[in-house]
Amino acid sequence: DVVMTQTPVSLSVSLGGQVSISCRSSQSLVHNNGNTYLSWYLQKPGQSPQLLIYKVSNRFSGISDRFSGSGSGTDLTLKISRVEPDDLGVYYCGQGTQYPFTFGSGTKLEIK
Amino acid sequence: QVQLQQSGAELAKPGSSVKISCKASGYTFTSYDISWIKQTTGQGLEYIGYINTGSGGTYYNEKFKGKATLTVDKSSSTAFMQLSSLTPEDTAVYYCARSTYGFAYWGQGTLVTVSS
Repeated sequence: DVVMTQTPVSLSVSLGGQVSISCRSSQSLVHNNGNTYLSWYLQKPGQSPQLLIYKVSNRFSGISDRFSGSGSGTDLTLKISRVEPDDLGVYYCGQGTQYPFTFGSGTKLEIK
Repeated sequence: QVQLQQSGAELAKPGSSVKISCKASGYTFTSYDISWIKQTTGQGLEYIGYINTGSGGTYYNEKFKGKATLTVDKSSSTAFMQLSSLTPEDTAVYYCARSTYGFAYWGQGTLVTVSS
């Protein structure tokens, strides 16, 4: 199985600040068809995860442009700019390139 | 709008089975696979498998073969997951999710608690 390693485990940021979350995979996430199926999710307290970014850098419908994804191969990053109170929660990366799909262990974002 | 409505929390005894439902609305049910995901505090998010809602074809994560059985009722736009031979390690929140390039839509989750 592809192992997804997320760092940091937690971080604290001031409102209006910027943070980056790293996700590294144990194997390349480039599919045979050339696409890279790496997604980012946010799970707010007491809620189901919600999709933020798919295929590395594509924002899902209704997602603010404060969220951006980048990277390639095995090294992917989520950047959140101008952090707002509603951004708190646990962020997960997830790969859909190889079965079984796997997820990172999560990064908890706290607001200072 | 797309909605996935899951059945309520379950309290089950070790060795028994439970069947969770996931009713879809707001889109053509048979156009998208439904995946199932387990969430625990210790193991995080684990992918169980998916069902092709049109053909009924399934994929199971090796770890969940023999534990989970996925089925679908197209007439009611509902997907089901049966968990069998329950142990305390099966205590978790289980989600259904609609699959495309990522899991774009999730159910609200069903808490399954296994305890004697």
